[in-house]
Amino acid sequence: AQKITQTQPGMFVQEKEAVTLDCTYDTSDPSYGLFWYKQPSSGEMIFLIYQGSYDQQNATEGRYSLNFQKARKSANLVISASQLGDSAMYFCAMRETGGSQGNLIFGKGTKLSVKP
Amino acid sequence: NAGVTQTPKFRILKIGQSMTLQCTQDMNHNYMYWYRQDPGMGLKLIYYSVGAGITDKGEVPNGYNVSRSTTEDFPLRLELAAPSQTSVYFCASSTRTGGSGANVLTFGAGSRLTVL
Repeated sequence: AQKITQTQPGMFVQEKEAVTLDCTYDTSDPSYGLFWYKQPSSGEMIFLIYQGSYDQQNATEGRYSLNFQKARKSANLVISASQLGDSAMYFCAMRETGGSQGNLIFGKGTKLSVKP
Repeated sequence: NAGVTQTPKFRILKIGQSMTLQCTQDMNHNYMYWYRQDPGMGLKLIYYSVGAGITDKGEVPNGYNVSRSTTEDFPLRLELAAPSQTSVYFCASSTRTGGSGANVLTFGAGSRLTVL
């Protein structure tokens, strides 16, 4: 069964520094997609970045980059130059390729706190 | 562009009462989903729909029902509410799915339900 593991319940980072949020996944399907979402205290789910299993390069979106290591089945999110507004829950998710037709399977999340 | 709209944002129910969470999207997305998020957990799929008239169960469907009479609307019905249904509910939608395609799920703002 497909599974997402986020082992860091909480992380602290100093403002303007970089931080890496860990995500490992388990799947036997060669075709899959990996996503990161941000959930601020207001509760909405905000899409950050996507990585396809066949993508040759690591995805980047502004200050967000995804460190994709396929052999290790990891898809860590790197946030550069942290800002106070980055304080939020961050969820790693994987697209299920069968069964629920495009459903995302989520990890339990990491709470990031940015210190001034 | 409204995206995905959920109502109500907050609701308190008594045990045994019933209610419907409304979800509407204006992006002409075929795929729609209902998730629930319990404290400290990721999102779990309740039901999903791949188009009008077609619905199917997700990981945690017990105690819920859905219908999809139009592309835009995907209401979630709670029958005989129980304290275990206290949660935050998210509706989401996306375009085509399949494989590892980057078909991003767009989420509503969430509905916080408390059953006492």
